[in-house]
Amino acid sequence: GDSVTQMEGPVTLSEEAFLTINCTYTATGYPSLFWYVQYPGEGLQLLLKATKADDKGSNKGFEATYRKETTSFHLEKGSVQVSDSAVYFCGNSGGSNYKLTFGKGTLLTVNP
Amino acid sequence: NAGVTQTPKFQVLKTGQSMTLQCAQDMNHNSMYWYRQDPGMGLRLIYYSASEGTTDKGEVPNGYNVSRLNKREFSLRLESAAPSQTSVYFCASSERGTVVDEQYFGPGTRLTVT
Repeated sequence: GDSVTQMEGPVTLSEEAFLTINCTYTATGYPSLFWYVQYPGEGLQLLLKATKADDKGSNKGFEATYRKETTSFHLEKGSVQVSDSAVYFCGNSGGSNYKLTFGKGTLLTVNP
Repeated sequence: NAGVTQTPKFQVLKTGQSMTLQCAQDMNHNSMYWYRQDPGMGLRLIYYSASEGTTDKGEVPNGYNVSRLNKREFSLRLESAAPSQTSVYFCASSERGTVVDEQYFGPGTRLTVT
């Protein structure tokens, strides 16, 4: 079946450090891949997405590239800020309509 | 444009009580979803509605029922609440529900069953 495995946290970084959160997936069809962010006390918000192999999604300084050969969609940011502290979820549509499978989430804390 | 709204924000129930969680979206989306979020488990799909008039089970439907009241509203009902249903519940919607569509989430309902 469809699945997502993402790096377990928590991850603690200092401001301006480089961030990588790993995400790998399995899918039976041709999935789209997503990164969502959840700030404390809020719902999930779409951060970025990629709909086909080799696409790069980007937003707010975050980037992720859809790598079919390694079934990966790792999230990166060159210089994190305190305001980036949140839980990050990788999502996989699995190639089927109406289905979005999420990883367990990675808690990121950025210290000043 | 409020997006996806959910009521209530918080609720405490006793075991065996019933309640309905309400969800509405104003984006004219066709598809709507209910998830639960538990520590260390990520989000799990309870039920979804591909379009007005249809509903289908997700990964964890036991103990829940849903109603797609109209295109805007999708409610989740707990007929006899159990402590295992203590969780944060999120409603979401998407334009068509296809593999490329992102989902838009509400702020959540935090439910405690004692």
